[in-house]
Amino acid sequence: AQKITQTQPGMFVQEKEAVTLDCTYDTSDPSYGLFWYKQPSSGEMIFLIYQGSYDQQNATEGRYSLNFQKARKSANLVISASQLGDSAMYFCAMREGEGGADGLTFGKGTHLIIQP
Amino acid sequence: ETGVTQTPRHLVMGMTNKKSLKCEQHLGHNAMYWYKQSAKKPLELMFVYSLEERVENNSVPSRFSPECPNSSHLFLHLHTLQPEDSALYLCASSQGFETGTYEQYFGPGTRLTVT
Repeated sequence: AQKITQTQPGMFVQEKEAVTLDCTYDTSDPSYGLFWYKQPSSGEMIFLIYQGSYDQQNATEGRYSLNFQKARKSANLVISASQLGDSAMYFCAMREGEGGADGLTFGKGTHLIIQP
Repeated sequence: ETGVTQTPRHLVMGMTNKKSLKCEQHLGHNAMYWYKQSAKKPLELMFVYSLEERVENNSVPSRFSPECPNSSHLFLHLHTLQPEDSALYLCASSQGFETGTYEQYFGPGTRLTVT
């Protein structure tokens, strides 16, 4: 079974609208972390936001927020007031366990295109 | 230089060549990673180094050989590669031991083409 599932291969959104990118995860480890990364066409992976499994509140970073629903194993990324520069691939990823030097498991990504 | 740098950015090599990819991080981190990104596939973890010791080898073929001489530098030595090894190779670094989110910071990647 896939550990990270992103069900939206591609999305078209009008500029200034809010966007929700879906991510569900699968783990039996009580301690884990969830990450969202942005990958523009240049190729570099840019860290956006993090949510820990024990965090009580949803994470927010500027226009990015993470809608964390632990019981549903869901960690959707919400981008408010989308901009043309938000067009990119977006990846959800998970780290299992409490250690720092653990690799991340990535989803297949969502290709977001913001239209003017 | 800041962040994570990778050289070369593009590499074309024949199947009998030997080449090396270089990664350098300027963030004071103590863990470094190699990932492979193939077309239409999720990023795949290849290797993890923590304090210059390899802690994970994710069933990677022996034609890929990592080296971590110190906590700031990571190499990926390549030899007798196959065309299916053509991909974007991404290096990342993170804190490994202090409490925190352990987010990984990525370099720009090396686009490798095996002919």
